Formats: sequence, C-alpha cells, structure tokens
Amino acid sequence: QQPVQSPQAVILREGEDAVINCSSSKALYSVHWYRQKHGEAPVFLMILLKGGEQKGHEKISASFNEKKQQSSLYLTASQLSYSGTYFCGTAPPGSARQLTFGSGTQLTVLP
Amino acid sequence: ETGVTQSPTHLIKTRGQQVTLRCSSQSGHNTVSWYQQALGQGPQFIFQYYREEENGRGNFPPRFSGLQFPNYSSELNVNALELDDSALYLCASSLALTRDRGPYEQYFGPGTRLTVT
Repeated sequence: QQPVQSPQAVILREGEDAVINCSSSKALYSVHWYRQKHGEAPVFLMILLKGGEQKGHEKISASFNEKKQQSSLYLTASQLSYSGTYFCGTAPPGSARQLTFGSGTQLTVLP
Repeated sequence: ETGVTQSPTHLIKTRGQQVTLRCSSQSGHNTVSWYQQALGQGPQFIFQYYREEENGRGNFPPRFSGLQFPNYSSELNVNALELDDSALYLCASSLALTRDRGPYEQYFGPGTRLTVT
C-alpha cells in the first residue's frame, strides 16, 4: 500500500524551513527519500532504517518513528536548488528491496 | 564513473505492439530495478534484477518482463501494449552485497518516455 505524503505542495521563500511527512499503514523496515526535478531523474537523499541507522547526504536531516510508521524530512534554510518533488519510498520487513513510493510533495522555493 | 543511462529517450508505439527499453547500470553496480512513473505520480516498482536473476516483482502483469545481462545492463520488455502503459519508465541501479540484503541507495537513469496511441 502506498505511503501518504503531506503536504502535497509547499511554497517557501529562500531561507525558510519546511517539513515533509511520510506515513504508512504497514510496518516498515526502511524509508527512502528522493528528490526529482522537472524532467530529471530522481536523486537519492537519504535512507532511514529500522533500528536508527541512517545513510544520506550531510545537509539533509530526517527522522523515522518506527512505532508510528512515519518519517519526516527536514529542509532548513532552504535554497532555490531545493525546489522539486520529494518522494518517500517505503519497504516493509521481508521485502526490503521493493520500494513503494508516495505521490510526492512539490516544493517550490522562491527568491 | 559513468552514471545510469537509458535508451531510447522517447518512444511512440501503437496499442498491441511490443517494446524493449534498455538500461546501462552505473559502473560497479550489480542490481537494477525498473519503475513506471505516470504523470504526477511517484515511481511504481515493476521488478528488480540481481546478478541476472529476477529478485522481486511488483503488481504488474506477465506481459512486463525483463532481462539482466552479465555486464549488469538490463532490458524491460512490454508486450501487447495498452494505452495505460503510457508513462515514464525509470531504471535504477545499486550495489548489493547479497540478493537478500538491502536496502541500498539507488541511482536513477533519466528515463524513457513511452507513449502508446
């Protein structure tokens, strides 16, 4: 089942902060975050694993609440380059390689 | 380091035809996953190949099939095309230590835009 992302869209000014949420109705083994700019391939941002391990870019921060099956991506001091659609992908235990992506959150950063 | 490449970039086919899409994985990667992305939606997992064997499949009919070659490049074949198959098809490569261990960060190609008329 597809994870639910919120908000669907957000508009920010440069320097402002944003939080993007991802929620699943199933138990999760991992949550993956990707950003896709218009007409481009999705780009890896972060993996969060059950148990607390994280792998990702230094400037990106995220959290994973295993009990609530939720993850949040924190974008601080946003830059124009942060604009794009953010997707979370979830993998349940036993099927760690098969990602189910949400519908995305469109982030627009204005000067 | 060569990134993930896909060919062709765009393709127009007629309903009922067959199509083959190609993907060259990033150097050193042994796993390829294929996704279908409809406009305004997130990528949907089709299947994954690890060292030339299918290693997981999403909710797609058997007319979607694939191959992975010894150099870890991959093909996606779709038979009996339907109008709903129109989408962006993405492949993503990663390096897996074993077929069961994961997850791994994936590197996506630019995609093939398929239009079925």
